[in-house]
Amino acid sequence: GEEVAQTPKHLVRGEGQKAKLYCAPIKGHSYVFWYQQVLKNEFKFLISFQNENVFDETGMPKERFSAKCLPNSPCSLEIQATKLEDSAVYFCASSQFQTGIDGPDTQYFGPGTRLTVL
Amino acid sequence: KQEVTQIPAALSVPEGENLVLNCSFTDSAIYNLQWFRQDPGKGLTSLLLIQSSQREQTSGRLNASLDKSSGRSTLYIAASQPGDSATYLCAAKYNFNKFYFGSGTKLNVKP
Repeated sequence: GEEVAQTPKHLVRGEGQKAKLYCAPIKGHSYVFWYQQVLKNEFKFLISFQNENVFDETGMPKERFSAKCLPNSPCSLEIQATKLEDSAVYFCASSQFQTGIDGPDTQYFGPGTRLTVL
Repeated sequence: KQEVTQIPAALSVPEGENLVLNCSFTDSAIYNLQWFRQDPGKGLTSLLLIQSSQREQTSGRLNASLDKSSGRSTLYIAASQPGDSATYLCAAKYNFNKFYFGSGTKLNVKP
């Protein structure tokens, strides 16, 4: 597809429950990124993938967060035992090329999934 | 530590006015800088991408400049329209494709 698709649009979970978010990158894009937007516009990088391989996971709270990008499946971001502070909009983005290597690395963002933890 | 700052946090202008949004970054070793638009409750729309070797990019009424030595980028919007009302975010990219976002400028263009 020509747009990054994210599902669901909204997700409500009780504290301690599991949350799973999905992202379908633009067809032909090799790189997928997850960002967390909290408190107005504060964006935090979580993790990136090059195809199915983790590229950079320096932003991931590893004790509860995990992510996968498997062949022929949407990418996923899973939060085990959600906490109140996990409430945020989670954005997925994809790009065709890697920064500074072989082409424009413009990131295209999906519409986001709004996670509310009660 | 890479930090990105945007000034002002909010801006209100009458329709037709030209305006400039500012973005500054602490680490000048950027690969590129991208300007985005975010409408309420929506995702990000990419506006302009400036590579570190470039000084400016133009698209329609938008012009973005980049000055690595001073750690600054500006987004110039000509002849503003009510439809330009949105939050504008700049994001600096360093290694490994990772963006560092500013906190945004909320623009309101009054008819």
